[in-house]
Amino acid sequence: AQRVTQPEKLLSVFKGAPVELKCNYSYSGSPELFWYVQYSRQRLQLLLRHISRESIKGFTADLNKGETSFHLKKPFAQEEDSAMYYCALGTGGGNKLTFGTGTQLKVEL
Amino acid sequence: GAVVSQHPSWVICKSGTSVKIECRSLDFQATTMFWYRQFPKQSLMLMATSNEGSKATYEQGVEKDKFLINHASLTLSTLTVTSAHPEDSSFYICSAIAGANTGELFFGEGSRLTVL
Repeated sequence: AQRVTQPEKLLSVFKGAPVELKCNYSYSGSPELFWYVQYSRQRLQLLLRHISRESIKGFTADLNKGETSFHLKKPFAQEEDSAMYYCALGTGGGNKLTFGTGTQLKVEL
Repeated sequence: GAVVSQHPSWVICKSGTSVKIECRSLDFQATTMFWYRQFPKQSLMLMATSNEGSKATYEQGVEKDKFLINHASLTLSTLTVTSAHPEDSSFYICSAIAGANTGELFFGEGSRLTVL
């Protein structure tokens, strides 16, 4: 069975500091990985997916099959980045998602 | 982007009663919707896949008779928690696939159920 692990429940950084949210997965098939974000009092929304290889709001994530990781990175954290971040593994064509437990990112001034 | 709306956003009910939660795609048609459950400070757990015009597909460990899912139209899926008990209290979230974009799931705002 597939599994997604986000080891940090809370990550606190200062504004302007680099950010790395860790995500590891376990899946026997070809993985499709996503990062979802939930800002305060808002619904969950897609941040980025490994297939598109794009950078959204300065965030990037590289799929490392050797390390089975999909860490989310941003070189300089902004206050508005404070949110809950979920890593997710997609199966069944990518739409059936298994979520990690989430990491609360807090960017302090 | 596409909008998914849930109703009600918050419901309190007595133990033993049934509660229906609606999930609507407001500006697109969704042949497939997903229902999740989220306990406080925990992750979203997929409960079932709701398919328009056919039976829902439930994940292992989810009681079909307890959580009734109906997807009668391309814009509406409902989740009915039957004979609710306090342990059913949770945050229920739905999502829908918009168009043909794989992985482009749009989420509802969630419905908080409290069973007294």
